[in-house]
Amino acid sequence: GENVEQHPSTLSVQEGDSAVIKCTYSDSASNYFPWYKQELGKGPQLIIDIRSNVGEKKDQRIAVTLNKTAKHFSLHITETQPEDSAVYFCAASKNTDKLIFGTGTRLQVFP
Amino acid sequence: EAGVAQSPRYKIIEKRQSVAFWCNPISGHATLYWYQQILGQGPKLLIQFQNNGVVDDSQLPKDRFSAERLKGVDSTLKIQPAKLEDSAVYLCASRRDSSSYNEQFFGPGTRLTVL
Repeated sequence: GENVEQHPSTLSVQEGDSAVIKCTYSDSASNYFPWYKQELGKGPQLIIDIRSNVGEKKDQRIAVTLNKTAKHFSLHITETQPEDSAVYFCAASKNTDKLIFGTGTRLQVFP
Repeated sequence: EAGVAQSPRYKIIEKRQSVAFWCNPISGHATLYWYQQILGQGPKLLIQFQNNGVVDDSQLPKDRFSAERLKGVDSTLKIQPAKLEDSAVYLCASRRDSSSYNEQFFGPGTRLTVL
């Protein structure tokens, strides 16, 4: 079955710097890749997603890139702010099948 | 619109006891999921419902876990008897339907501690 690996497990950046989180997946048939942000004591919240027919997608300060050949996708956050501090999860699925989540990245943005 | 509601938010029990969690999805959402999130890991799907039918329960430890979604709305997840390794956050999520890439909305979760 699908396996999703995520790196790094922790990431500390200075406010205003960029942050990059990377994920790899194993099933070449996967075609939907969402990213979730989870704040302390809350459930995950979708922040951006990408489908396999697109190589890049942007939404203000966040962007996701997908390399289908290498089977990896990345989350880019620019101009980080303290409120970006949270745990971020990548996930992958095939069509509308169940989501397989990565192990998470704890992002800390220092003022 | 109101989000996914879960209760209780926290539960502490001793091993071999039983426990139940409740989830009320977003109104009109046909698809409901229960996930287990162990500390430091990503959510792992336990069971998926489409209306009141089970779509996927391949990861549900059926010897001790059970779930139901009567009338296709609210859902309960039960563990009986609990083991130490069941300590985790149990997340409920819902989606409008399972036929497209629409967003899964998560509830706040129930944190279970088994002593």
